Amino acid sequence: AQSVTQLDSQVPVFEEAPVELRCNYSSSVSVYLFWYVQYPNQGLQLLLKYLSGSTLVKGINGFEAEFNKSQTSFHLRKPSVHISDTAEYFCAVIQAAGNKLTFGGGTRVLVKP
Amino acid sequence: DVKVTQSSRYLVKRTGEKVFLECVQDMDHENMFWYRQDPGLGLRLIYFSYDVKMKEKGDIPEGYSVSREKKERFSLILESASTNQTSMYLCASSSLALNTEAFFGQGTRLTVV
Repeated sequence: AQSVTQLDSQVPVFEEAPVELRCNYSSSVSVYLFWYVQYPNQGLQLLLKYLSGSTLVKGINGFEAEFNKSQTSFHLRKPSVHISDTAEYFCAVIQAAGNKLTFGGGTRVLVKP
Repeated sequence: DVKVTQSSRYLVKRTGEKVFLECVQDMDHENMFWYRQDPGLGLRLIYFSYDVKMKEKGDIPEGYSVSREKKERFSLILESASTNQTSMYLCASSSLALNTEAFFGQGTRLTVV
């Protein structure tokens, strides 16, 4: 079985400040990792994914995430946020040999002017 | 443009009614998923299907069933709706290769009164 924990349910941040959203997972086997974003009244869309190779993954809209196997973490970062980054962000994991995509509880980011 | 379409954005049903939520994808994807989204709980997997007429229970299947008679269509059925099934329901699809992203519909907000 696998699980995903997002440590912060809400993160308020000022415009142009950096933001980090934390994600930890548990799994007994190798996994693939994803970050999705949900803008208000919309479905989810993929920000970035880690499959293998370089542990630093770059995604859309200036986001990046770092896979840390020893700490079983996949934290998401952006060096300078915009008002338009206000959204809910979900970390997700799938086992390399499975097909069940499991999500964390979500982190709501509110960017203030 | 890839698309996952859910038949309704908003639904209001009475307790005890049988409810059908429909999802259609146009990407010839093998995998299809139904999640419910509740504040603070993230997305929880109800059922998924990896082929026509094949289905597997997710984390919270109780009170739900599914049907996949055609590859492009995946239906979620609430046999007898209850107020605790009031939620946002999200459908997703993905190709069989695990390193591809899941595509989501816009969601159906179901209210059971």
